[in-house]
Amino acid sequence: SQTIHQWPATLVQPVGSPLSLECTVEGTSNPNLYWYRQAAGRGLQLLFYSVGIGQISSEVPQNLSASRPQDRQFILSSKKLLLSDSGFYLCAWSVRLGFYSNQPQHFGDGTRLSIL
Amino acid sequence: DAKTTQPNSMESNEEEPVHLPCNHSTISGTDYIHWYRQLPSQGPEYVIHGLTSNVNNRMASLAIAEDRKSSTLILHRATLRDAAVYYCILRPSSNSGYALNFGKGTSLLVTP
Repeated sequence: SQTIHQWPATLVQPVGSPLSLECTVEGTSNPNLYWYRQAAGRGLQLLFYSVGIGQISSEVPQNLSASRPQDRQFILSSKKLLLSDSGFYLCAWSVRLGFYSNQPQHFGDGTRLSIL
Repeated sequence: DAKTTQPNSMESNEEEPVHLPCNHSTISGTDYIHWYRQLPSQGPEYVIHGLTSNVNNRMASLAIAEDRKSSTLILHRATLRDAAVYYCILRPSSNSGYALNFGKGTSLLVTP
């Protein structure tokens, strides 16, 4: 069966510090990968998605970047964190079937990031 | 994406069936109806999806109205673990974006 791992579960970082959140998927190949952010009391916002190694699409302009160095590894980074980067960060994967976007997305347990 | 409307909250007793409604009067012919739920402090969890026919899986059943303007997620026997926010989301079958547009959902309270 497929599993998705995110770490760390919680993180407290000072403003201006760098960030690296990692997500890995097991039990599937060539997945679509996603990074979402959920701010307190708000809905999920898609930040990045990837349909293959080295292929990253950004949905919103921001202080963050993403990379996919391996097929089942997705990394979210920042060089300098802002207070507004606080939130609940979720990684997700879905089966890649051409251009069809109606495949279910499966989420990790998330990283709760607090910026001080 | 077409819009969905759900009640803000619902309450159920443990071990009783729960029917969670969703209205989507502007649904297009190629939109799939997806349901996710999010337990406190966890990531969303896929529950079920369908297009026209009713669907069943180990978690729930999805009943879709004949005109597809509404649907109902059915939990056959609610448990305390089913307390979560349930989201009804429309997904086009063609390539029109990858984002899942979670609205406010229905917060389900299950009481013993």
